[in-house]
Amino acid sequence: AQSVTQLGSHVSVSEGALVLLRCNYSSSVPPYLFWYVQYPNQGLQLLLKYTTGATLVKGINGFEAEFKKSETSFHLTKPSAHMSDAAEYFCAVSASGNTGNQFYFGTGTSLTVIP
Amino acid sequence: KAGVTQTPRYLIKTRGQQVTLSCSPISGHRSVSWYQQTPGQGLQFLFEYFSETQRNKGNFPGRFSGRQFSNSRSEMNVSTLELGDSALYLCASSLARPGGGNTIYFGEGSWLTVV
Repeated sequence: AQSVTQLGSHVSVSEGALVLLRCNYSSSVPPYLFWYVQYPNQGLQLLLKYTTGATLVKGINGFEAEFKKSETSFHLTKPSAHMSDAAEYFCAVSASGNTGNQFYFGTGTSLTVIP
Repeated sequence: KAGVTQTPRYLIKTRGQQVTLSCSPISGHRSVSWYQQTPGQGLQFLFEYFSETQRNKGNFPGRFSGRQFSNSRSEMNVSTLELGDSALYLCASSLARPGGGNTIYFGEGSWLTVV
């Protein structure tokens, strides 16, 4: 079974401060991990993903995430928050293998950036 | 390259009616999946289609159904609408290469309000 837990449904940071959004996963098989961002009245946009290889993954808009198997975590970070980063962020896990594209999403973290 | 296109974007229906939502995937993508997004339940997987066959199904009642056509376009149908069906319905498409880890790309969604 696969699941994702996002700690903190709401996170507020000052503009220019570090952004840290937490994600822990549960998977009985090697996971594929994703971060998506959703702006108001829009669909979800891929930020970054981890499949295999390097555990530090760089994404768009200056975001990156580190896969830590020992901690079953995939936290999202950005060194310096910008006003345009205010959005809802979703962590997701999908199963490996040929069983299809079923994704399991966390409940989301709403990021507020304070000027 | 055009993204995932969903129609209609907004619609209002009355309890007991049925609704059909349409999704055109990214060109070349053969997998289409549907998700329901609500404030209380977050993103929940409805079903996935690949080459006109339902490959995975989430935990939703039989009132929710879907299909995929030979050109990979997909429709989902909800019959006997209930107030609780009010949600953002998101379609996502993927190349669905063997081995898993495929990225899914979302449309902007169809906002359904049931009154």
